[in-house]
Amino acid sequence: QVQLVESGGGVVQPGRSVRVSCAASGFNFSDYAIHWVRQAPGKGLEWVAVITYDGSNKYYADSVKGRFTISRDNSKNTLYLQMNSLRAEDTAFYYCARGGQDCSGATCSDYWGQGTLVTVSS
Amino acid sequence: SYVLTQPPSVSVAPGQTARIACGGNNIGSKSVHWYQQKPGQAPVLVVYDDGDRPSGIPERFSGSNSGNTATLAISRVEAGDEADYYCQVWDSTRDQHWVFGGGTKLTVL
Repeated sequence: QVQLVESGGGVVQPGRSVRVSCAASGFNFSDYAIHWVRQAPGKGLEWVAVITYDGSNKYYADSVKGRFTISRDNSKNTLYLQMNSLRAEDTAFYYCARGGQDCSGATCSDYWGQGTLVTVSS
Repeated sequence: SYVLTQPPSVSVAPGQTARIACGGNNIGSKSVHWYQQKPGQAPVLVVYDDGDRPSGIPERFSGSNSGNTATLAISRVEAGDEADYYCQVWDSTRDQHWVFGGGTKLTVL
């Protein structure tokens, strides 16, 4: 079955960096675009970034552009999010989400991981 | 940037139909997707492309989209439907950007 498992979260000081990962299994990882979506505790969902199936194209939300980098290693079935210059407002659960197989243009997500919490605090 | 507006909360009695609105400028021209999120869990896709259901989602979940409003309808509401619901679209004016509504807390009375 399809599984997405995030890891790498924790407490990070403001201005520092952290990399979170998403390990995929149960499907052909290299066929799908994958997104990062975050959710501050008690708040709504916020799209963060997407990477195309082959890694050739990457897009970012304005709130993270220039600070976050999405990447993937298709040989390891793993997605990454490198987060630099972290701010308190980056505190959130970070979910990886697969581009939907059935929705038009893969504009939805049909599978999500359980999320990893990144807390930015001194 | 494109904005989606949802009511913060909707309440419904068991067995009745809950309707959750998602407003956006000419949203009827876009494909709208809906997610259910229960406390401590990841979101689950319940409706995609305005009104289609993924496998495993009950027929009680349906969706419509026209003009400036998309609607998720849940018929014969059960206690287990109590959750946060989010609408989502792809912002075609911004490469690959997704936009989420603010979410609606569905309370089953």
